[in-house]
Amino acid sequence: DGGITQSPKYLFRKEGQNVTLSCEQNLNHDAMYWYRQDPGQGLRLIYYSQIVNDFQKGDIAEGYSVSREKKESFPLTVTSAQKNPTAFYLCASSMFNEQFFGPGTRLTVL
Amino acid sequence: KQEVTQIPAALSVPEGENLVLNCSFTDSAIYNLQWFRQDPGKGLTSLLLIQSSQREQTSGRLNASLDKSSGRSTLYIAASQPGDSATYLCAVNGPSGTYKYIFGTGTRLKVLA
Repeated sequence: DGGITQSPKYLFRKEGQNVTLSCEQNLNHDAMYWYRQDPGQGLRLIYYSQIVNDFQKGDIAEGYSVSREKKESFPLTVTSAQKNPTAFYLCASSMFNEQFFGPGTRLTVL
Repeated sequence: KQEVTQIPAALSVPEGENLVLNCSFTDSAIYNLQWFRQDPGKGLTSLLLIQSSQREQTSGRLNASLDKSSGRSTLYIAASQPGDSATYLCAVNGPSGTYKYIFGTGTRLKVLA
């Protein structure tokens, strides 16, 4: 079954901790994305990657970091520098300009 | 800077009604427009993709149209069902490159049985 998987589904972070959200796709898509979704707001782009070993900042990259060592994987690290990380995080990939999304990870800061 | 607006923010209709959801964007230099559905606590499901050279796309009871010159797209849902209840989002990419998508805040639809 082709698709995008995100883990974990729920994640709890203590103040000052770094956490990493996993995103894996088996669609053979070159481009991958990370978005943040807050209640009442549209999706906001954190980072995107067009090809392996290359990525660009989106509109709200501060306090986040990514890597793209494999085509299938695009993990997102939420660092302690991100002051308000509680949100729903969505990973996506695209081919021919059509985006496909994973099921999301809900991150809560305790 | 591209901005995407969806009006209304919420909509309640009785089952069986035909309905139209609206999406407007400020910069007509887009590459394509995509409609999504999102159920509570879930990821987005792609419904329809309209390339900039196309005027409309259809899938089952869904029809999406695109008028680039006026910066508008509509999603038409025929014979609505309670299972259609969800939030519907539109997204455009361009003019800042094909990899940057701008999303609207969505229309929350409730279809009453």
